[in-house]
Amino acid sequence: GQQLNQSPQSMFIQEGEDVSMNCTSSSIFNTWLWYKQDPGEGPVLLIALYKAGELTSNGRLTAQFGITRKDSFLNISASIPSDVGIYFCAGRDFYGGSQGNLIFGKGTKLSVKP
Amino acid sequence: EPEVTQTPSHQVTQMGQEVILRCVPISNHLYFYWYRQILGQKVEFLVSFYNNEISEKSEIFDDQFSVERPDGSNFTLKIRSTKLEDSAMYFCASSEAEEIGDGYTFGSGTRLTVV
Repeated sequence: GQQLNQSPQSMFIQEGEDVSMNCTSSSIFNTWLWYKQDPGEGPVLLIALYKAGELTSNGRLTAQFGITRKDSFLNISASIPSDVGIYFCAGRDFYGGSQGNLIFGKGTKLSVKP
Repeated sequence: EPEVTQTPSHQVTQMGQEVILRCVPISNHLYFYWYRQILGQKVEFLVSFYNNEISEKSEIFDDQFSVERPDGSNFTLKIRSTKLEDSAMYFCASSEAEEIGDGYTFGSGTRLTVV
């Protein structure tokens, strides 16, 4: 089945640093979504991408949908303590017979540097 | 802002018992989903539901699982005879239409513990 490879698995941030994470897939998706999950909560949508090459910002967050439709990155600029959490990429495929369910990456855990 | 509401937030059940997890999707949404997240792992698709029937289901969604929309507002996931490995967070999600990504909203989840 379709799988997303998300990296890095975890990273430590210091306040003010920029953060970057990415997802790649062996198959094409027509929508990429980036979610943040806090402990004990459901995923909360950060950015949705619909077109290959699309670059979208949401405050300090910027995400891009790769030209090949097989990858996406998420950047967080000038990180703050509340950015800590787990970030998931998710791909959505309408045209491969799927009804639009999401395929999730394994997540990138952001923690604060001790 | 509209929310997907899930109850209960926590449920502990004995192995072999039936559980029903409840969800109230966003009112104008037409597509409903259940996902599962085993502790420390990624979120996994279970089932999608549209027009009062299952649209798609994953390999995880075996005969022990069923979904129902018993009335105009609730969407339920039933596990008929729970196993230890069913312990996980279960998330309900709903979307307005298939094409809209940013309308795809998750609930806060039900933590199911099977003992």
